[in-house]
Amino acid sequence: DAGVIQSPRHEVTEMGQEVTLRCKPISGHDYLFWYRQTMMRGLELLIYFNNNVPIDDSGMPEDRFSAKMPNASFSTLKIQPSEPRDSAVYFCASSLRTGPRGYTFGSGTRLTVV
Amino acid sequence: AQTVTQSQPEMSVQEAETVTLSCTYDTSESDYYLFWYKQPPSRQMILVIRQEAYKQQNATENRFSVNFQKAAKSFSLKISDSQLGDAAMYFCAYRPPQGGSEKLVFGKGTKLTVNP
Repeated sequence: DAGVIQSPRHEVTEMGQEVTLRCKPISGHDYLFWYRQTMMRGLELLIYFNNNVPIDDSGMPEDRFSAKMPNASFSTLKIQPSEPRDSAVYFCASSLRTGPRGYTFGSGTRLTVV
Repeated sequence: AQTVTQSQPEMSVQEAETVTLSCTYDTSESDYYLFWYKQPPSRQMILVIRQEAYKQQNATENRFSVNFQKAAKSFSLKISDSQLGDAAMYFCAYRPPQGGSEKLVFGKGTKLTVNP
């Protein structure tokens, strides 16, 4: 099992540009989560999906952020236009519904907006 | 809303010694799940240990064990025989019971330093 795969690992972009972060969850997992980690706010849930359907997007900071999951093996988080305050580490995680399971996290994407 | 509090921003321990990291949480639920995650400098989030609230027995995983006090809503992590590789940020997390939100709520973390 390759685990949760995120790309890119690092992204540096200029303010105003579109940024797309990608995630491949563990095969068979039916939940997918996007988290953002900053020093000030810690780990914040942005959105999560169940069976490819968005369930809770209350953590998405504003309309500049959007997330999709077109199929069970792929999800994207897009920021358009990006701003310096979006600089953070973005984690994708996946999970099985059954049992007291935690999430399996990807290695994260460090986004820097200059 | 559920909250998770880690009152120790930083802790240090000597190699081979024991250290305990504190975590408290707030919930009105009776059944839920608790976790400790480790985040080394590589930033990978690694699940260390989990506890189901309906189980009275404290979870253990090798050198890692928890002290789960349900009435006090406390969930501390004990690391025995600390090793240099244990140096990391440690996050306590709460997950609601099945049938509710699947959201995992994290504390702010405790940075653990292991001194040789």
